[in-house]
Amino acid sequence: LAKTTQPISMDSYEGQEVNITCSHNNIATNDYITWYQQFPSQGPRFIIQGYKTKVTNEVASLFIPADRKSSTLSLPRVSLSDTAVYYCLVGDSRGTALIFGKGTTLSVSS
Amino acid sequence: NAGVTQTPKFQVLKTGQSMTLQCAQDMNHEYMSWYRQDPGMGLRLIHYSVGAGITDQGEVPNGYNVSRSTTEDFPLRLLSAAPSQTSVYFCASRWGETQYFGPGTRLLVL
Repeated sequence: LAKTTQPISMDSYEGQEVNITCSHNNIATNDYITWYQQFPSQGPRFIIQGYKTKVTNEVASLFIPADRKSSTLSLPRVSLSDTAVYYCLVGDSRGTALIFGKGTTLSVSS
Repeated sequence: NAGVTQTPKFQVLKTGQSMTLQCAQDMNHEYMSWYRQDPGMGLRLIHYSVGAGITDQGEVPNGYNVSRSTTEDFPLRLLSAAPSQTSVYFCASRWGETQYFGPGTRLLVL
């Protein structure tokens, strides 16, 4: 099972761009990279997923270098409501269990 | 679709009591899993299932049993509750690399 390493916490101010990097040195060929967001007292919520290069949706971008040993979640112009824990997971679709790390606690201040 | 539902939302048990946490999904997903989350911690995988009749252990399976008789339901059983099992329990179903989480069950074991 591929393990991930993320910073424990990050601080930002409203309107700034936030980049959270995740290391996954032993990622397998079939593994995808998925990021989740969790607010207090709620289950995690899917944000974005990618395999290589860059993926963008309405809430975030995901940058994956060619070697795929790391990935960076980019949140443009964060607001107070983006304060949450962000988890990076790697896994494939063949039934492998998806393991969460401790995630990155993002605190956004005004 | 109701998505992933969990019952009860909150439960208090005495040490040694048994109970079943219910989880159901109406998205016809084959893969389902149970996680626990302790205060300030990430999610830890308890058990998972890749389809009806198939279950496997995750990171922290001791003290918990599961079964998967139907695609829709994936109950988690505590045979003899212990204070160390006080936690928030999340059930999830999965399509591809994306997991969909239920609202969680808060369990307090006295």
